[in-house]
Amino acid sequence: AQSVTQLDSQVPVFEEAPVELRCNYSSSVSVYLFWYVQYPNQGLQLLLKYLSGSTLVKGINGFEAEFNKSQTSFHLRKPSVHISDTAEYFCASLRGSTLGRLYFGRGTQLTVWP
Amino acid sequence: EAGVTQFPSHSVIEKGQTVTLRCDPISGHDNLYWYRRVMGKEIKFLLHFVKESKQDESGMPNNRFLAERTGGTYSTLKVQPAELEDSGVYFCASSQVQNSRNEQFFGPGTRLTVL
Repeated sequence: AQSVTQLDSQVPVFEEAPVELRCNYSSSVSVYLFWYVQYPNQGLQLLLKYLSGSTLVKGINGFEAEFNKSQTSFHLRKPSVHISDTAEYFCASLRGSTLGRLYFGRGTQLTVWP
Repeated sequence: EAGVTQFPSHSVIEKGQTVTLRCDPISGHDNLYWYRRVMGKEIKFLLHFVKESKQDESGMPNNRFLAERTGGTYSTLKVQPAELEDSGVYFCASSQVQNSRNEQFFGPGTRLTVL
């Protein structure tokens, strides 16, 4: 079975500090990985995705993630966060054979304090 | 360009009643997905339309849920009769081409509360 685990439900950080949101996946076949962000009262917005190629993926708003096959991880990082980054972040995976069905983690609420 | 829209944004109903959720995908998007998030749990897939056809409905919880996409444009998701465990946020997403890796654009969700 395919699943995604987000290890932290809440991550509080101070403004301008670095942050890492953790995501691990399990799949016995090739997998594509995504990070989505949900700001209050909005839909999910794609931050970045890994399909193939370079394992370091850069996304919008200064976020990046690294695909690590040996550790089955796809952690999201940002070197310096802003208050506006406060949102819920979702890691998701996709298996090519399942025609677009995304598998999500439980989400991580990132709260940035001034 | 308008994004994915969903109506209503919130719905509060009593157990046993019927509720219909609507999703308008981005114009021209053939793929339409429904997902649901029950409080405290992960977002789970419900079903996938390609145009007006159900491509994958393996995530539908039971036969109280009925999804339609007449004409391949907007979609409705009806819950009849609603039960307490149906409460949650229902998301709709759409994508442009029949490519499983293509970005899915999500709507803001409909928050359903069943009392």
